[in-house]
Amino acid sequence: NAGVTQTPKFQVLKTGQSMTLQCAQDMNHNSMYWYRQDPGMGLRLIYYSASEGTTDKGEVPNGYNVSRLNKREFSLRLESAAPSQTSVYFCASSATGKGNQPQHFGDGTRLSIL
Amino acid sequence: KNQVEQSPQSLIILEGKNCTLQCNYTVSPFSNLRWYKQDTGRGPVSLTIMTFSENTKSNGRYTATLDADTKQSSLHITASQLSDSASYICVVGSYGQNFVFGPGTRLSVLP
Repeated sequence: NAGVTQTPKFQVLKTGQSMTLQCAQDMNHNSMYWYRQDPGMGLRLIYYSASEGTTDKGEVPNGYNVSRLNKREFSLRLESAAPSQTSVYFCASSATGKGNQPQHFGDGTRLSIL
Repeated sequence: KNQVEQSPQSLIILEGKNCTLQCNYTVSPFSNLRWYKQDTGRGPVSLTIMTFSENTKSNGRYTATLDADTKQSSLHITASQLSDSASYICVVGSYGQNFVFGPGTRLSVLP
């Protein structure tokens, strides 16, 4: 009963380093999302993929890239990490992305940029 | 500006007591309103989803209400348990894949 799996759970990077956050879902969902959660703020959408083969920018896409590798996997890449990207990153999926479909979240990747 | 506000910011109650959390929003156009529970160190988990035509929805001891005219929602927790200690997040869905998340209310249930 895995649901949405994110790796790694924790990561520390130096400014300028790159890394890829991995996300996989086993619910055969079409839509997948990447959010960041900062203290005192609501989750903010970075990128989403409405279906396999498509990706679109969210509210805060600058400094990030994504790849929808297949229906199961949606990765988030930081090309040149900055301290402002220190955050908790959540991946989510939903069946269709329409109004009555809940989003299922992973348990997050806690990322610190020094 | 699309915005979701929640009150109170934090709340402490004794086990067995009831409580109500508030959500006000200015998101337009409105599609749906969701409440999520987020345990410390975990991802949010869906509690309820209400569309424009629904004004109440229950999930066990959790009951959400929606007043689309005043753009307000509440989450009522009955007979609280220690496991209810968590953050509760109000989310308003708009067109397409646009969801606006509130900052959450941190609930602590004490024995």
